Amino acid sequence: DVKVTQSSRYLVKRTGEKVFLECVQDMDHENMFWYRQDPGLGLRLIYFSYDVKMKEKGDIPEGYSVSREKKERFSLILESASTNQTSMYLCASVTGITDTQYFGPGTRLTVL
Amino acid sequence: SQKIEQNSEALNIQEGKTATLTCNYTNYSPAYLQWYRQDPGRGPVFLLLIRENEKEKRKERLKVTFDTTLKQSLFHITASQPADSATYLCALDMGSGGYQKVTFGIGTKLQVIP
Repeated sequence: DVKVTQSSRYLVKRTGEKVFLECVQDMDHENMFWYRQDPGLGLRLIYFSYDVKMKEKGDIPEGYSVSREKKERFSLILESASTNQTSMYLCASVTGITDTQYFGPGTRLTVL
Repeated sequence: SQKIEQNSEALNIQEGKTATLTCNYTNYSPAYLQWYRQDPGRGPVFLLLIRENEKEKRKERLKVTFDTTLKQSLFHITASQPADSATYLCALDMGSGGYQKVTFGIGTKLQVIP
């Protein structure tokens, strides 16, 4: 079974702090995605990566950056956290054949 | 751009009945469509994939249909159980040809009443 883990289930940060969210997958997938999920808005794509050191902006990249130094690890960085970044953050690892997405458990981030 | 519409209202059904959830899309027909289940506070879990040349797909109590004429997929859970209560998301390919291939609907919340 594919396993996708995220560094924290719950996180509370202050406005202006730098926040790191880490995602690790164990299936040697090339593609990895970061989403945020908010009530009434569904899943929105922030960034994705199709290879080590490669990244592409999704629909809502503003205020975020990413890092993919190793194939199994994809990090989401909030450079200066703001209250409107309070959300559920979900990482997904994707098979290349059918684009089936394997999600991590999510990180509930609260920015005060 | 492609838009996905799922029943925005929650669906309540009695245990033992068949639950039917709808996913409609606009514009072009996707090469495939996926259904996911999401429990509160958890990440979505993949359930089924159906391709454009398939009319129907089954997995245990789950059945998915795909009608490219109506631009619609139906997701059925037969003999529903309270444990089936969750939010169900449909996802389909963007058709952009790039790496950003899949987009998700907002989901339909299913509540199975004992």
